[in-house]
Amino acid sequence: GAVVSQHPSWVICKSGTSVKIECRSLDFQATTMFWYRQFPKQSLMLMATSNEGSKATYEQGVEKDKFLINHASLTLSTLTVTSAHPEDSSFYICSASHEATYEQYFGPGTRLTVT
Amino acid sequence: AQSVSQHNHHVILSEAASLELGCNYSYGGTVNLFWYVQYPGQHLQLLLKYFSGDPLVRGIKGFEAEFIKSKFSFNLRKPSVQWSDTAEYFCAVNGGNYGGSQGNLIFGKGTKLSVKP
Repeated sequence: GAVVSQHPSWVICKSGTSVKIECRSLDFQATTMFWYRQFPKQSLMLMATSNEGSKATYEQGVEKDKFLINHASLTLSTLTVTSAHPEDSSFYICSASHEATYEQYFGPGTRLTVT
Repeated sequence: AQSVSQHNHHVILSEAASLELGCNYSYGGTVNLFWYVQYPGQHLQLLLKYFSGDPLVRGIKGFEAEFIKSKFSFNLRKPSVQWSDTAEYFCAVNGGNYGGSQGNLIFGKGTKLSVKP
């Protein structure tokens, strides 16, 4: 089946530093990838839609200069949290839309803790 | 704006009990509807989906859901749950203009199901 991986699975960083999270579709090509954020006991909130080779589309209220998204290939999208603050601590989940079926497959998530 | 409501935060059942998880959505146009499941320590997985046609859809592992347009609902059901169904269940919706692309999913807050053996 279609598999999406995320790296790292968890990361702790100091306030003011930047953190990069990778999302890879392992056995299929994904023209579109999505980045979500999930707070404890909350729903998944879509942050941005990433299309290969073009700029990401950010949801209202998401700072594009803070959450940098790059989708350089059909199998890789990255989310960089710049100048991280403790309020950025959260669970970040990516998903990839299968190029042929358009079904969305989810990664396991990355737990970010900013101290 | 689209929104999804899941009425129950945590449901506790004994094995063999019947399950119904509520999901209501708010959207004025055609919608595509989904249920996802997240087993402990695992990824979100698609359980079933509705795009058009028969409003009663059957998914994996004996789950089904019924789309009732007049009630803006898409409740998830299973006649007899098993301990292995313990997981978190998320209802999601996107606007019908996305077709089957599952773009821009709007998720409910999720319902945690605990099944006692």
